[in-house]
Amino acid sequence: DAGVIQSPRHEVTEMGQEVTLRCKPISGHDYLFWYRQTMMRGLELLIYFNNNVPIDDSGMPEDRFSAKMPNASFSTLKIQPSEPRDSAVYFCASSFYPGVQGGELFFGEGSRLTVL
Amino acid sequence: AQTVTQSQPEMSVQEAETVTLSCTYDTSENNYYLFWYKQPPSRQMILVIRQEAYKQQNATENRFSVNFQKAAKSFSLKISDSQLGDTAMYFCASPFNDYKLSFGAGTTVTVRA
Repeated sequence: DAGVIQSPRHEVTEMGQEVTLRCKPISGHDYLFWYRQTMMRGLELLIYFNNNVPIDDSGMPEDRFSAKMPNASFSTLKIQPSEPRDSAVYFCASSFYPGVQGGELFFGEGSRLTVL
Repeated sequence: AQTVTQSQPEMSVQEAETVTLSCTYDTSENNYYLFWYKQPPSRQMILVIRQEAYKQQNATENRFSVNFQKAAKSFSLKISDSQLGDTAMYFCASPFNDYKLSFGAGTTVTVRA
């Protein structure tokens, strides 16, 4: 398997623009997670899906952020409009079963977002 | 609140030597899993080792081992015979009894040649 695939690897945009990050999880994994990593706040869980259904989006910072998972092989994280404070590395991760049951998270390489 | 704390922001070790990373956590749960993840400069995080709190025996994966002290709520990672490829940031994590994995702040390990 190719692992979790994220795109783009790097994104530089201007404040106010819409940003869409994409993720393809590992086939057969029922859980998909979006994390954000910054120096100040470390790794934060934004949202996670189980069987394509959003289960907990309490980590989404505000209404400018939205995430979808239209099918088992694709998810998007959208920021509209983007702001400089959104600059971070965004990770997508998937797992066959959840960590609470000992499941391993498989991470993508991350999308580094810079908002000017 | 359930938290994971890593008190060592950075550590440096000579190649072939041993380094131990500390992690403490706070939970009221009785059974849970604890994980150590590695994030090399390439950014992609990978699992190093996991431990089930129910089990008394410390987990071991090749050169990586843990010292799990449940009563003290401590979960340290020992890297033996350090290699240059071990240079990375290491995160202690646990979902406790939630589906959300809580990560510590991370410890940057630099292996010197």
